[in-house]
Amino acid sequence: NAGVTQTPKFRVLKTGQSMTLLCAQDMNHEYMYWYRQDPGMGLRLIHYSVGEGTTAKGEVPDGYNVSRLKKQNFLLGLESAAPSQTSVYFCASSWSGTTGGYFGPGTRLTVL
Amino acid sequence: AQKITQTQPGMFVQEKEAVTLDCTYDTSDPSYGLFWYKQPSSGEMIFLIYQGSYDQQNATEGRYSLNFQKARKSANLVISASQLGDSAMYFCAMRGRGYGGSQGNLIFGKGTKLSVKP
Repeated sequence: NAGVTQTPKFRVLKTGQSMTLLCAQDMNHEYMYWYRQDPGMGLRLIHYSVGEGTTAKGEVPDGYNVSRLKKQNFLLGLESAAPSQTSVYFCASSWSGTTGGYFGPGTRLTVL
Repeated sequence: AQKITQTQPGMFVQEKEAVTLDCTYDTSDPSYGLFWYKQPSSGEMIFLIYQGSYDQQNATEGRYSLNFQKARKSANLVISASQLGDSAMYFCAMRGRGYGGSQGNLIFGKGTKLSVKP
């Protein structure tokens, strides 16, 4: 039982490059979330999904897109990376809207 | 608007002593949930404890307890008998209700860095 996994763990991009972060959960959770963590800022919600085929914007969605084609996977895309997107990205999943969620190990992204 | 405030950027505690990490929240929802997470230097987010707004008793999980004072809108984390392994960042969070009616996403405070001294 792996819980929540994230791929990759580390990545360095150049400005303007694109990439996709993959989040996978094996707990059959309906809800999935992408957060970013910046120094001194805590975690902020980027996008979330309340079920397969659904996505919605969070607090800081600009510059990101997401997709949830399968219930167990939640993808976060950066179409044209910017240095301001240098951050640690966390994926989380939960049974419903009333639980806090299980977090993945994080992806450290640096955009040069 | 919903907000979590952690006013202690850093704290020190002697090993084996108890420590309280402060958290205040702001929400107009009658139903909400409060969470504490631990983030060690390795970076992962570890769920510690949960308190629902309608729970009559304070939540406890082993050495962790949540001092929930609803009228004061505070949800302080108490760690008893601190251990060296408790040194980490601690985040208070509240279940959000917003972003188009969503539920379940968490609104985080900025965290408190706890250092346990031997």
